[in-house]
Formats: sequence, structure tokens, C-alpha cells
Amino acid sequence: DTAVSQTPKYLVTQMGNDKSIKCEQNLGHDTMYWYKQDSKKFLKIMFSYNNKELIINETVPNRFSPKSPDKAHLNLHINSLELGDSAVYFCASSQGLAGENSYEQYFGPGTRLTVT
Amino acid sequence: SQKIEQNSEALNIQEGKTATLTCNYTNYSPAYLQWYRQDPGRGPVFLLLIRENEKEKRKERLKVTFDTTLKQSLFHITASQPADSATYLCALVGNAGKSTFGDGTTLTVKP
Repeated sequence: DTAVSQTPKYLVTQMGNDKSIKCEQNLGHDTMYWYKQDSKKFLKIMFSYNNKELIINETVPNRFSPKSPDKAHLNLHINSLELGDSAVYFCASSQGLAGENSYEQYFGPGTRLTVT
Repeated sequence: SQKIEQNSEALNIQEGKTATLTCNYTNYSPAYLQWYRQDPGRGPVFLLLIRENEKEKRKERLKVTFDTTLKQSLFHITASQPADSATYLCALVGNAGKSTFGDGTTLTVKP
């Protein structure tokens, strides 16, 4: 069974469209994250949720809106897509926010978003 | 501003040798430091975590050191194998579990 899954794996869309990426974890973790990895492989945190509550919200355009319907899911909705949004988006989860074991993150396979 | 640098973008070594990867940081006081492995087209996979008050951690052929005075972590893979070829990322973990990643070093182990 896949621990952290994302759909879709590939997403090709035109500028101005709205799209969503879904993420699910079956590890029973309390914390979930969204990361963006650009063409230079730099992995940057966007959001984190703990028990469905937003904890980290980095400097991300308002066009990006995360939604956590329950602890096992964290979806990412992107409005009015721009060329610069093209990247690989990774979902991750961890046990919690405090304590050594809490910081080990499990990553999904990534969603490659291409905006044309 | 906070900065994390990993020694070189690419590192090539011969099979059987020890690979040493470097992670340097500035303007940061992390509680923990982590190392991840990332293969092409896949998400990062956690390898090791070391706390700020630990000098060294080992796991099989892997060894991590953490020097908070030098603001540096070294990641060693002994008896390297071609299967160790991948990109290795260091990540600093601060308050509220926020992880800040370095830009990675791509290791190639040649047979």
C-alpha cells in the first residue's frame, strides 16, 4: 500500500485555468505538507497542516489554497495558473510537530504541473 | 536571511570509496538536521535525523555529523555502490516542524 499518494501524477494545463491536486496518507499521521520543487531541484515548503489546522503558510500567492477535509487528506487548489507555477509539487506527512520522530517526513511521488 | 548550501551540485566517486557530502547553513539555529535521498522522478526518502546536541549518528553504511559551531553537517556513505547514486538533500528543522531544504548534491558512484 502506498503511504502517501497524489493525483494526478502529471498535469498539463493552460494559463488562467484552475486546477487541483489531491493528496492522501494512510500512515495515521497528524501533519501534512505541500512543497514545490522547481527546475533547479530546490524544495520549498508552501503549507503545513496539523490536525486539519493550518500551521505554516509561507509566502505563497493567494491563488494557492490548501484544504484539509480530514487528517488523512490535504488538497491543493490553484486558481488562475501562471507559467511560473510550472514545477513538481510534493505532498508529505509526518507524525506530528513536536519530538524527534515527528520530523521524519514521508513524501508522495509528486505531481508534475506544466502550464503552457 | 537564512541560507543552506550543499557542497557541490555534483559529486562523482568510484565504487567502494567513501562519499562525503557537506551541508552548511547561516543565520539559522535548527533543532534538528535531516538527510533525505531523492531518485529521479520520485519524492525524497528520509535517511537520518540528528539533533543539535548530538555529534554523530550512524545507520548501516551511513554516518552523519553535526557541528553547530561550524554550522555544518557532513554526510558520509562508506563502501559506496552504484545503487547509492541519487540526489541527497539536507534539511534543517526549526520551530513548529518547519523544514528548510538545501538544493541537493547529486552523487554518482561509478563501477
